[in-house]
Amino acid sequence: TQLLEQSPQFLSIQEGENLTVYCNSSSVFSSLQWYRQEPGEGPVLLVTVVTGGEVKKLKRLTFQFGDARKDSSLHITAAQPGDTGLYLCAGDEAGTALIFGKGTTLSVSS
Amino acid sequence: NAGVMQNPRHLVRRRGQEARLRCSPMKGHSHVYWYRQLPEEGLKFMVYLQKENIIDESGMPKERFSAEFPKEGPSILRIQQVVRGDSAAYFCASSPPIRGALKNEQFFGPGTRLTVL
Repeated sequence: TQLLEQSPQFLSIQEGENLTVYCNSSSVFSSLQWYRQEPGEGPVLLVTVVTGGEVKKLKRLTFQFGDARKDSSLHITAAQPGDTGLYLCAGDEAGTALIFGKGTTLSVSS
Repeated sequence: NAGVMQNPRHLVRRRGQEARLRCSPMKGHSHVYWYRQLPEEGLKFMVYLQKENIIDESGMPKERFSAEFPKEGPSILRIQQVVRGDSAAYFCASSPPIRGALKNEQFFGPGTRLTVL
């Protein structure tokens, strides 16, 4: 079974700081998705990366897929309190089930 | 709003009762997935269905749990004779019938929080 390790597990920063969240696996995924989940709600899809080395930007968020398609990172520039939430990465296993990491809980205080 | 719908949002059952969770996929989506999220754990895959077919149920417990996605109506996840360990958030996700190469984008509903007393 493929596993996804996310780090750090918890992150508490001040508004305006930059941060990077990591998602690592020993296995190769055909695609990887990042979600953000708020308490009491379902995960909301942020981005899907498919090609090794791919970089995608979503406003202040930058997502990168590792060259070997085993790892990914999410970088947030100038974090804001509205970025607070649980960030989840999920790897595509053969086009059916997504394998989820346990997530990084981000808290941004003003 | 054509998002994934789940109901009820909250469900309380006593041990031994049955729980029925419903999921209506996004408009135009024909693939449905069910996941379970336990406290302090990540989302775990349970079952993958297409209309009238179970494609992959490798993540679903063999006993007490069943799922269906009929030709008409929502997908149903049924848990019979619930136990306290079934308390969790259950999420449904859907994806479109034709997906681009190497993509498996899944869109999630708001979840059903099941509490077993």
